[in-house]
Amino acid sequence: EVQLVESGGGLVQPGASLRLSCAASGFIFSSYWMSWVRQAPGKGLEWVANIKQDGSERNYVDSVKGRFTISRDNAKNSVYLQMNSLRVEDTAVYYCAREWNAFDMWGQGTMVSVSS
Amino acid sequence: DIQMTQSPSSLSASVGDRVTITCRASQRISYYLNWYQQKPGKAPKVLIYGASSLQSGVPSRFSGSGSGTDFTLTISSLQPEDFATYYCQQSFSIPRTFGQGTKVEIK
Repeated sequence: EVQLVESGGGLVQPGASLRLSCAASGFIFSSYWMSWVRQAPGKGLEWVANIKQDGSERNYVDSVKGRFTISRDNAKNSVYLQMNSLRVEDTAVYYCAREWNAFDMWGQGTMVSVSS
Repeated sequence: DIQMTQSPSSLSASVGDRVTITCRASQRISYYLNWYQQKPGKAPKVLIYGASSLQSGVPSRFSGSGSGTDFTLTISSLQPEDFATYYCQQSFSIPRTFGQGTKVEIK
Protein backbone atom coordinates (compact mmCIF):
# COMPACT_ATOMS: atom_id res chain seq x y z
CA GLU A 1 0.00 0.00 0.00
CA VAL A 2 1.23 3.47 -0.86
CA GLN A 3 1.31 5.47 2.35
CA LEU A 4 3.08 7.81 4.74
CA VAL A 5 2.82 7.23 8.48
CA GLU A 6 3.98 9.87 10.97
CA SER A 7 4.88 9.27 14.59
CA GLY A 8 6.62 10.98 17.48
CA GLY A 9 4.20 13.72 18.43
CA GLY A 10 3.24 14.52 21.99
CA LEU A 11 2.85 17.09 24.74
CA VAL A 12 6.03 18.92 25.76
CA GLN A 13 6.99 22.04 27.65
CA PRO A 14 8.38 25.17 25.98
CA GLY A 15 12.10 24.78 25.28
CA ALA A 16 11.90 21.01 24.93
CA SER A 17 12.84 18.87 21.94
CA LEU A 18 10.92 16.33 19.92
CA ARG A 19 11.75 14.16 16.92
CA LEU A 20 9.06 13.32 14.40
CA SER A 21 9.36 10.38 12.03
CA CYS A 22 7.58 9.58 8.80
CA ALA A 23 7.75 6.09 7.33
CA ALA A 24 7.03 5.71 3.63
CA SER A 25 5.91 2.60 1.81
CA GLY A 26 4.63 1.55 -1.58
CA PHE A 27 6.76 3.87 -3.71
CA ILE A 28 10.40 4.60 -4.51
CA PHE A 29 11.09 6.90 -1.58
CA SER A 30 14.55 7.94 -2.77
CA SER A 31 13.07 9.49 -5.94
CA TYR A 32 11.12 12.24 -4.20
CA TRP A 33 11.58 15.48 -2.34
CA MET A 34 9.84 15.22 1.02
CA SER A 35 8.28 17.98 3.10
CA TRP A 36 6.82 18.65 6.51
CA VAL A 37 3.68 20.80 6.63
CA ARG A 38 1.93 21.85 9.83
CA GLN A 39 -1.50 23.08 10.81
CA ALA A 40 -2.16 24.86 14.09
CA PRO A 41 -5.56 24.13 15.69
CA GLY A 42 -8.30 25.79 13.68
CA LYS A 43 -5.79 27.44 11.34
CA GLY A 44 -4.49 27.00 7.80
CA LEU A 45 -1.61 25.05 6.35
CA GLU A 46 2.01 26.12 6.78
CA TRP A 47 4.93 24.53 4.98
CA VAL A 48 7.81 23.90 7.41
CA ALA A 49 10.71 22.28 5.57
CA ASN A 50 11.72 20.08 2.69
CA ILE A 51 14.63 17.86 1.71
CA LYS A 52 15.98 16.75 -1.65
CA GLN A 53 16.06 13.14 -2.74
CA ASP A 54 19.66 12.55 -1.64
CA GLY A 55 19.54 14.89 1.36
CA SER A 56 21.94 17.36 -0.24
CA GLU A 57 19.52 20.29 -0.11
CA ARG A 58 17.26 21.33 2.76
CA ASN A 59 14.99 24.34 3.06
CA TYR A 60 13.08 25.83 5.99
CA VAL A 61 10.47 28.44 6.73
CA ASP A 62 12.05 31.37 8.56
CA SER A 63 10.15 30.74 11.81
CA VAL A 64 11.90 27.38 12.38
CA LYS A 65 15.37 28.08 10.98
CA GLY A 66 18.04 27.24 13.53
CA ARG A 67 15.59 25.22 15.67
CA PHE A 68 14.30 22.47 13.37
CA THR A 69 16.32 20.03 11.24
CA ILE A 70 14.90 17.86 8.50
CA SER A 71 16.74 14.66 7.55
CA ARG A 72 16.09 11.42 5.74
CA ASP A 73 17.31 7.83 5.63
CA ASN A 74 16.60 6.35 2.22
CA ALA A 75 17.63 2.89 3.42
CA LYS A 76 14.81 3.05 5.96
CA ASN A 77 12.38 4.91 3.67
CA SER A 78 11.97 7.54 6.35
CA VAL A 79 12.09 11.29 6.80
CA TYR A 80 12.54 13.01 10.15
CA LEU A 81 12.00 16.39 11.77
CA GLN A 82 14.14 17.19 14.78
CA MET A 83 12.49 20.04 16.66
CA ASN A 84 14.50 21.85 19.32
CA SER A 85 13.68 24.88 21.48
CA LEU A 86 9.98 24.31 20.95
CA ARG A 87 7.63 27.25 21.41
CA VAL A 88 3.94 27.45 22.21
CA GLU A 89 3.37 28.65 18.63
CA ASP A 90 4.79 25.38 17.26
CA THR A 91 1.66 23.61 18.50
CA ALA A 92 0.12 21.96 15.45
CA VAL A 93 -0.62 18.79 13.58
CA TYR A 94 2.50 17.95 11.60
CA TYR A 95 2.09 16.19 8.27
CA CYS A 96 4.78 14.70 6.11
CA ALA A 97 4.11 15.00 2.41
CA ARG A 98 5.62 13.77 -0.81
CA GLU A 99 6.41 16.53 -3.26
CA TRP A 100 5.93 15.86 -6.97
CA ASN A 101 4.51 18.87 -8.84
CA ALA A 102 2.39 19.32 -5.74
CA PHE A 103 2.16 17.69 -2.33
CA ASP A 104 0.57 14.62 -3.86
CA MET A 105 0.66 12.28 -0.89
CA TRP A 106 0.16 13.07 2.79
CA GLY A 107 0.38 11.17 6.02
CA GLN A 108 -2.38 11.21 8.62
CA GLY A 109 -0.51 13.70 10.78
CA THR A 110 0.93 13.69 14.30
CA MET A 111 -0.05 16.22 16.95
CA VAL A 112 2.59 18.30 18.71
CA SER A 113 1.43 20.32 21.71
CA VAL A 114 3.78 22.76 23.42
CA SER A 115 2.44 24.03 26.73
CA SER A 116 3.60 24.74 30.25
CA ASP B 1 8.15 35.29 0.36
CA ILE B 2 5.22 34.94 -2.03
CA GLN B 3 1.90 35.72 -0.38
CA MET B 4 -1.15 33.79 -1.53
CA THR B 5 -4.56 35.42 -1.05
CA GLN B 6 -7.78 33.49 -1.53
CA SER B 7 -11.27 34.85 -1.89
CA PRO B 8 -13.77 34.46 -0.52
CA SER B 9 -12.73 33.16 2.91
CA SER B 10 -16.01 31.29 3.11
CA LEU B 11 -19.09 30.73 1.02
CA SER B 12 -22.46 29.06 1.31
CA ALA B 13 -23.74 27.09 -1.64
CA SER B 14 -26.30 24.46 -2.54
CA VAL B 15 -25.85 21.06 -4.10
CA GLY B 16 -25.68 21.53 -7.85
CA ASP B 17 -24.33 25.07 -7.70
CA ARG B 18 -21.32 26.21 -9.68
CA VAL B 19 -18.65 27.43 -7.26
CA THR B 20 -15.61 29.54 -8.03
CA ILE B 21 -12.71 30.26 -5.68
CA THR B 22 -9.94 32.65 -6.61
CA CYS B 23 -6.32 32.80 -5.55
CA ARG B 24 -3.93 35.67 -6.14
CA ALA B 25 -0.14 35.50 -5.79
CA SER B 26 1.88 38.52 -4.67
CA GLN B 27 4.26 38.00 -7.60
CA ARG B 28 4.20 36.04 -10.83
CA ILE B 29 4.42 32.27 -10.35
CA SER B 30 3.78 31.07 -13.92
CA TYR B 31 1.70 27.88 -13.65
CA TYR B 32 3.15 26.71 -10.31
CA LEU B 33 -0.15 26.72 -8.49
CA ASN B 34 -1.86 23.78 -6.77
CA TRP B 35 -5.27 23.33 -5.17
CA TYR B 36 -6.12 21.11 -2.19
CA GLN B 37 -9.29 19.98 -0.46
CA GLN B 38 -9.32 19.32 3.26
CA LYS B 39 -12.12 17.82 5.32
CA PRO B 40 -12.24 18.12 9.14
CA GLY B 41 -9.74 15.87 10.88
CA LYS B 42 -8.23 14.69 7.62
CA ALA B 43 -5.07 15.40 5.67
CA PRO B 44 -5.34 17.64 2.61
CA LYS B 45 -5.81 16.05 -0.79
CA VAL B 46 -4.47 17.52 -4.01
CA LEU B 47 -7.11 18.29 -6.63
CA ILE B 48 -5.27 20.36 -9.24
CA TYR B 49 -1.56 20.80 -9.92
CA GLY B 50 0.21 23.05 -12.39
CA ALA B 51 -2.76 25.44 -12.29
CA SER B 52 -4.99 23.29 -14.50
CA SER B 53 -3.97 19.60 -14.41
CA LEU B 54 -6.46 17.32 -12.72
CA GLN B 55 -4.89 14.93 -10.24
CA SER B 56 -5.58 11.28 -11.00
CA GLY B 57 -8.78 10.07 -9.40
CA VAL B 58 -10.26 13.54 -8.87
CA PRO B 59 -13.73 14.05 -10.37
CA SER B 60 -13.91 16.08 -13.56
CA ARG B 61 -16.30 18.61 -11.98
CA PHE B 62 -13.15 20.17 -10.50
CA SER B 63 -11.14 22.41 -12.80
CA GLY B 64 -8.41 25.01 -12.47
CA SER B 65 -7.30 27.92 -14.60
CA GLY B 66 -5.00 30.91 -14.58
CA SER B 67 -1.36 31.82 -14.83
CA GLY B 68 0.97 34.51 -13.57
CA THR B 69 -0.72 35.92 -10.49
CA ASP B 70 -4.43 35.10 -10.79
CA PHE B 71 -5.91 31.62 -10.52
CA THR B 72 -9.33 30.04 -10.20
CA LEU B 73 -10.70 26.76 -8.89
CA THR B 74 -14.15 25.89 -10.22
CA ILE B 75 -16.52 23.18 -9.08
CA SER B 76 -19.02 22.85 -11.89
CA SER B 77 -21.81 21.18 -9.91
CA LEU B 78 -21.31 21.04 -6.15
CA GLN B 79 -21.84 17.63 -4.59
CA PRO B 80 -22.50 16.80 -0.91
CA GLU B 81 -18.98 15.40 -0.51
CA ASP B 82 -17.45 18.69 -1.74
CA PHE B 83 -18.27 20.62 1.42
CA ALA B 84 -14.79 21.21 2.77
CA THR B 85 -12.00 23.78 2.99
CA TYR B 86 -9.95 24.52 -0.12
CA TYR B 87 -6.40 25.84 -0.21
CA CYS B 88 -4.20 27.12 -3.00
CA GLN B 89 -0.41 26.71 -2.77
CA GLN B 90 2.48 27.96 -4.84
CA SER B 91 5.35 25.66 -5.79
CA PHE B 92 7.31 28.35 -7.65
CA SER B 93 9.74 29.16 -4.88
CA ILE B 94 10.87 28.52 -1.35
CA PRO B 95 9.24 28.91 1.09
CA ARG B 96 6.24 27.08 -0.25
CA THR B 97 3.19 29.09 0.77
CA PHE B 98 -0.52 28.42 1.04
CA GLY B 99 -3.55 30.63 0.81
CA GLN B 100 -5.57 31.11 3.99
CA GLY B 101 -8.27 28.72 2.85
CA THR B 102 -11.86 28.94 1.61
CA LYS B 103 -14.52 27.10 3.58
CA VAL B 104 -17.40 25.85 1.43
CA GLU B 105 -20.51 25.35 3.54
CA ILE B 106 -23.99 24.08 2.89
CA LYS B 107 -26.62 26.74 2.23
